[in-house]
Amino acid sequence: EDQVTQSPEALRLQEGESSSLNCSYTVSGLRGLFWYRQDPGKGPEFLFTLYSAGEEKEKERLKATLTKKESFLHITAPKPEDSATYLCAVLRAQKLVFGQGTRLTINP
Amino acid sequence: NAGVTQTPKFRVLKTGQSMTLLCAQDMNHEYMYWYRQDPGMGLRLIHYSVGEGTTAKGEVPDGYNVSRLKKQNFLLGLESAAPSQTSVYFCASSYGPANTEAFFGQGTRLTVV
Repeated sequence: EDQVTQSPEALRLQEGESSSLNCSYTVSGLRGLFWYRQDPGKGPEFLFTLYSAGEEKEKERLKATLTKKESFLHITAPKPEDSATYLCAVLRAQKLVFGQGTRLTINP
Repeated sequence: NAGVTQTPKFRVLKTGQSMTLLCAQDMNHEYMYWYRQDPGMGLRLIHYSVGEGTTAKGEVPDGYNVSRLKKQNFLLGLESAAPSQTSVYFCASSYGPANTEAFFGQGTRLTVV
């Protein structure tokens, strides 16, 4: 069965302290892996799509990478405004299957 | 530019009551989705539609019905609400699965008492 597992569930960092979030997946024939950001009380907001192992994408302080079994969301020198829940999802048939998310808190 | 709009934003129902959640998108997207989000469970797909007049079941369809009579609208119905349906509901839309940058609405917080 296709599964998406994110770790850690929650992460607290100091401003400027870089780290990585993990998304591991088991799906046959990956057609796309997606990262979203969700702020409290709001809907998820699209960040990146990765399609093949070795692919990387960057946006400001965020960089997403993909291997055959997992994806990482690297956060470099984060700021308090980067605090949010980060969701990853894989495309299965015509549907997105989401992980449970990592709640990231950046303390000033 | 409205994007994806959900109504209502909040609702409290009594067990056994019915209601309809409305999702409207102005991006001419073919695909539309209804998800529910519960603590510790992530986003789970209820129903989805790949075009006007079509609907399909997702992971957790029991107790819900949907309709897509117009391309821009996707309705989620609860015929007889149960406390287990207390959740935050999100609608999303996208051009299609191969280009699945899904756009989400702001959510509807539903409480069934």
